Amino acid sequence: DADVTQTPRNRITKTGKRIMLECSQTKGHDRMYWYRQDPGLGLRLIYYSFDVKDINKGEISDGYSVSRQAQAKFSLSLESAIPNQTALYFCATSDLYTVTGELFFGEGSRLTVL
Amino acid sequence: GESVGLHLPTLSVQEGDNSIINCAYSNSASDYFIWYKQESGKGPQFIIDIRSNMDKRQGQRVTVLLNKTVKHLSLQIAATQPGDSAVYFCAEKRPGYSTLTFGKGTMLLVSP
Repeated sequence: DADVTQTPRNRITKTGKRIMLECSQTKGHDRMYWYRQDPGLGLRLIYYSFDVKDINKGEISDGYSVSRQAQAKFSLSLESAIPNQTALYFCATSDLYTVTGELFFGEGSRLTVL
Repeated sequence: GESVGLHLPTLSVQEGDNSIINCAYSNSASDYFIWYKQESGKGPQFIIDIRSNMDKRQGQRVTVLLNKTVKHLSLQIAATQPGDSAVYFCAEKRPGYSTLTFGKGTMLLVSP
């Protein structure tokens, strides 16, 4: 089983709909992240959380919200989806006690907004 | 490898050749760098890292070189194999930032 699991893996929705992407991890890491990937633009950070009571905005947080339900669970919501939020979304984790901050990624959730 | 717009820089090599993937980073005070490999349909995976107090670090078939004078990072892959075909990202740890900042990626295509 994957250490970082994202659901759903693929989702097609319509403009204006509320969407939630879920992430769960079995690595026991405190830190969790949501990234967005667009062709040619690399990985851009949406939100991150360093523990259950900590939520921080990344570089592209507008139009998104997150919830850290438990150490192992971090969900990303699009309250009213729009077409330019069509992208590949990645959840990642890192270990608080690793100075380097290496990230461990899930397999990705592909979202299409029509 | 910096990309412009939607076009991802691409490096095409023959199987068995050595590959060199380049990355220009943004902050001269960044103190840590990582290379990630992303295969089609998968999330990025760690390849190798290097701290700013080093110029070179070697792994299995991979070497990372750091040139702080020109803010340049490179990943060398020896005896490239078809399984090395993927998108490669560099990432830097900038001072004052809690998270890594990623480059835009380079696609490596290995033909038999």
